[in-house]
Amino acid sequence: RKEVEQDPGPFNVPEGATVAFNCTYSNSASQSFFWYRQDCRKEPKLLMSVYSSGNEDGRFTAQLNRASQYISLLIRDSKLSDSATYLCVVNIRYNAGNMLTFGGGTRLMVKP
Amino acid sequence: DGGITQSPKYLFRKEGQNVTLSCEQNLNHDAMYWYRQDPGQGLRLIYYSQIVNDFQKGDIAEGYSVSREKKESFPLTVTSAQKNPTAFYLCASNDRAFSGANVLTFGAGSRLTVL
Repeated sequence: RKEVEQDPGPFNVPEGATVAFNCTYSNSASQSFFWYRQDCRKEPKLLMSVYSSGNEDGRFTAQLNRASQYISLLIRDSKLSDSATYLCVVNIRYNAGNMLTFGGGTRLMVKP
Repeated sequence: DGGITQSPKYLFRKEGQNVTLSCEQNLNHDAMYWYRQDPGQGLRLIYYSQIVNDFQKGDIAEGYSVSREKKESFPLTVTSAQKNPTAFYLCASNDRAFSGANVLTFGAGSRLTVL
């Protein structure tokens, strides 16, 4: 079982739609969580960190459910420019230290 | 502007050749990382370095080598021992290795194709 799992998609949605992605993680020692955005053939860039109480940044809302070991990203009022791959990143504590583990990404395509 | 510079952006290699990918950062970050990304997949850690003159293997280090002689520089050599080197290679850095409080800054990547 992968340590961080995401539905690869693609999620095809019309402009203005609301779309949500989930990411599950297997290691209960995971400490911190992030969503990165990656455009085609580009490097990943931080979209937002995910806080225990949930957090919002404009049209984007991130939530963490430690009991069920998943994080989510909600995008409201989708724009064409939101089309990208969204990577879930989990910081996991091991005996030797911490390790950032990436999910495989969820691809979003927003259509006119 | 501070950032990470990777070169070359595109590289073609014949089988059996070693190639070195450059990564330079002017962010004064202590920790640097090399990741590999294959189509439709997430990033896998090749090597990381927490401080000058020190580096550690990641999940897929076989067939790769690195050095960290300067804080700013963390070159990756893809050797002929790497069986399937065609991939997108990403260099990243942050203030402290694997600190939960510090997110990664990535370079623009190097796309290696073996002919």
